[in-house]
Amino acid sequence: RKEVEQDPGPFNVPEGATVAFNCTYSNSASQSFFWYRQDCRKEPKLLMSVYSSGNEDGRFTAQLNRASQYISLLIRDSKLSDSATYLCVVNPANQGGKLIFGQGTELSVKP
Amino acid sequence: SQTIHQWPATLVQPVGSPLSLECTVEGTSNPNLYWYRQAAGRGLQLLFYSVGIGQISSEVPQNLSASRPQDRQFILSSKKLLLSDSGFYLCAWSPAFFREGGTDTQYFGPGTRLTVL
Repeated sequence: RKEVEQDPGPFNVPEGATVAFNCTYSNSASQSFFWYRQDCRKEPKLLMSVYSSGNEDGRFTAQLNRASQYISLLIRDSKLSDSATYLCVVNPANQGGKLIFGQGTELSVKP
Repeated sequence: SQTIHQWPATLVQPVGSPLSLECTVEGTSNPNLYWYRQAAGRGLQLLFYSVGIGQISSEVPQNLSASRPQDRQFILSSKKLLLSDSGFYLCAWSPAFFREGGTDTQYFGPGTRLTVL
């Protein structure tokens, strides 16, 4: 089992749609969680951290379920500019600052 | 504010030639530093990480090496490149406290796209 698993995608959605990405992680002691965005041929950039209580940043909502070891990202009112690959990222415990990256889910928002 | 630089941005090298990629960080002290490789259409693979000058941990066996001659400088090298070394090489940094499970995260440089022919 991979340490971090994501929906492989690609997700093809029309502008204005709501889309949800899911991610599961295997290390129950993992301490912090993130979503990164990677545009084609660019570096990954931090989109948002994921907090236990859930958190929202504009059209983006992240949720964490520690009991199920599950993380989600919801994007409302999709824009063309949201097209990218979304990486689920986990900071496992006691690994000196290393992060575990999921393979990513590709999103394509169409006009 | 902190910034991270990588160069060159792109590189085309013949098989068997040497490699040196450089990464520097500004605006912070004693950062953790990381080298990743991303093959075309694949996920990120951690190659090396460093928690201080001269301290390098290797994640996967390969013909690459890393060095940290200064606090904010991280270098990726190879004596002889293979075709399989082609990919997108990314350097990243995180604050030192992140080692203890802090809530901050890693920040990536713009990357070097390497093609070995």
